[in-house]
Amino acid sequence: GAVVSQHPSWVICKSGTSVKIECRSLDFQATTMFWYRQFPKQSLMLMATSNEGSKATYEQGVEKDKFLINHASLTLSTLTVTSAHPEDSSFYICSARAPVQGNTEAFFGQGTRLTVV
Amino acid sequence: AQSVTQPDIHITVSEGASLELRCNYSYGATPYLFWYVQSPGQGLQLLLKYFSGDTLVQGIKGFEAEFKRSQSSFNLRKPSVHWSDAAEYFCAVGPPGGTASKLTFGTGTRLQVTL
Repeated sequence: GAVVSQHPSWVICKSGTSVKIECRSLDFQATTMFWYRQFPKQSLMLMATSNEGSKATYEQGVEKDKFLINHASLTLSTLTVTSAHPEDSSFYICSARAPVQGNTEAFFGQGTRLTVV
Repeated sequence: AQSVTQPDIHITVSEGASLELRCNYSYGATPYLFWYVQSPGQGLQLLLKYFSGDTLVQGIKGFEAEFKRSQSSFNLRKPSVHWSDAAEYFCAVGPPGGTASKLTFGTGTRLQVTL
């Protein structure tokens, strides 16, 4: 199946700094990628839909100025957590949709664990 | 708005025993249905999906799921559980036909397997 790679797998940063997370589709082109956030022992919550060449669409309650999304190419979307605070510590997962046997299927990255200290 | 309910937060089964994880959804039409598995600290791996056709779908690792429209359910089953199946399982729904549709996830069921 299609492969989605996320980098880094984990990151620790100081409060007030910014952190960039990359999501790459390795063997297919993804015009749309999705960013999810997962708190411990909870489900995945969609944060935003990343569209190649245009602005991301954010879900209600997600601060677009804090979670900057850039989808500059068909294989790369980035999520930048700006001025990070401890409450931003979480597991961030991206996904990209790829065609599979006449339909589309979501493939997920391995996730990035962010810890803000 | 669509929603997914996984009533069981935590399930413990013995290795070799059968397993059924429940999933109910609320949606205006028949959605696309998915089951994903997540190992600790990892991303999600697709176990199986239902788009249309045969309501009993087979997935990887010996899993299967049955779509029951009348019950708005999509329960996941495995006849004989292996210790390596211990993980978090998520049921998800997505709108039919969309090529860039977003998924709504249930809260997950954590499976523990005893030897």
